[in-house]
Amino acid sequence: DQQVKQNSPSLSVQEGRISILNCDYTNSMFDYFLWYKKYPAEGPTFLISISSIKDKNEDGRFTVFLNKSAKHLSLHIVPSQPGDSAVYFCAARGDSKLTFGKGITLSVRP
Amino acid sequence: SAVISQKPSRDICQRGTSLTIQCQVDSQVTMMFWYRQQPGQSLTLIATANQGSEATYESGFVIDKFPISRPNLTFSTLTVSNMSPEDSSIYLCSVETFGPYYTFGSGTRLTVV
Repeated sequence: DQQVKQNSPSLSVQEGRISILNCDYTNSMFDYFLWYKKYPAEGPTFLISISSIKDKNEDGRFTVFLNKSAKHLSLHIVPSQPGDSAVYFCAARGDSKLTFGKGITLSVRP
Repeated sequence: SAVISQKPSRDICQRGTSLTIQCQVDSQVTMMFWYRQQPGQSLTLIATANQGSEATYESGFVIDKFPISRPNLTFSTLTVSNMSPEDSSIYLCSVETFGPYYTFGSGTRLTVV
């Protein structure tokens, strides 16, 4: 049973536009949600997180929104840049362990 | 954040052999985690390694196949035993630091032939 779902395998956006990456979860006991970015041949790099008691967290071009009632979170990247092209993983923490979604490949077109 | 050095970065191994992956952290951490990423799949937690105690394995993973050592607060190894082509994956170690903030090693890309 997949507790963290990223239903879209890929997303393509124009440089300068907004990228919206979505994530759904099923376990209401998760206390933190994190987004990671991964390039080929590298480990995942932490981007931004949000506590389950918050509904928004912002860091520069990255904003994460959490809708607990819908068990849904999204990562907004504004403006998108070609260097943002990578695989993005949504992860949720429960019992000090991370559960990951399958990832979404973001392509930002110049 | 912690810095993790993971070795080897990649290897090609014969089926039936074993490979030991090492993770060295530049600071003392309580918990270290080992993940597997199969081709096109998510990161799946194999086990959690605490210093001074047996590793805790997730459902579907057993100690005989993936023995783990955690001799001190900065080092851990994962061994992939009696390998088959199905073990071809990227293996990653991770640590939790203040935050919660989880740092990952660069991964070991294993190909079993």
